Amino acid sequence: KNQVEQSPQSLIILEGKNCTLQCNYTVSPFSNLRWYKQDTGRGPVSLTIMTFSENTKSNGRYTATLDADTKQSSLHITASQLSDSASYICVVTDGGSQGNLIFGKGTKLSVKP
Amino acid sequence: ETGVTQTPRHLVMGMTNKKSLKCEQHLGHNAMYWYKQSAKKPLELMFVYNFKEQTENNSVPSRFSPECPNSSHLFLHLHTLQPEDSALYLCASSQGLAHSYEQYFGPGTRLTVT
Repeated sequence: KNQVEQSPQSLIILEGKNCTLQCNYTVSPFSNLRWYKQDTGRGPVSLTIMTFSENTKSNGRYTATLDADTKQSSLHITASQLSDSASYICVVTDGGSQGNLIFGKGTKLSVKP
Repeated sequence: ETGVTQTPRHLVMGMTNKKSLKCEQHLGHNAMYWYKQSAKKPLELMFVYNFKEQTENNSVPSRFSPECPNSSHLFLHLHTLQPEDSALYLCASSQGLAHSYEQYFGPGTRLTVT
């Protein structure tokens, strides 16, 4: 069964600190993996997208990695800011004909001053 | 803003009411989607439209009725809902259905069924 598991479920860090969020998936065949940021009361916004051949992708202070062999991805946030407080959702697109998006439950990050 | 708007942003309705959610995209996209987001659960795909034609109905109860009059507008008609239908309903659009096309989400409608 295609699944996307994220950890931790929630995380609290101090402003200025770094953190890493994890995503493990069992989706097959694989097409791509996206990380979304969802602020409270808003829709998800794409941060990065990686295909099978890409190991890392950066977007400002956000760096995503992908290990297609172990089916793991991480999202590293550097020098966190209060505005980073949000849910971060890992989404894997299956490579089948319908290209279904498989969503993780998300990691809720709180950055405290 | 993502170019996808949704109204209303908040809706409280009784189980016997009929209401509609509206989504509009200003991106020139051809595909539109309805998702349901419940607390502590992954987003659930409900419906997919491509060039105004429904291409997917993900076993959604008939009390949810979608309508896509054109590629820019998508509605979700609601009637005789249940309390467990309370959730954030997200609309999204993409250029097409191919795997590489990114989906752009609206801000959602927070629905409470009493």
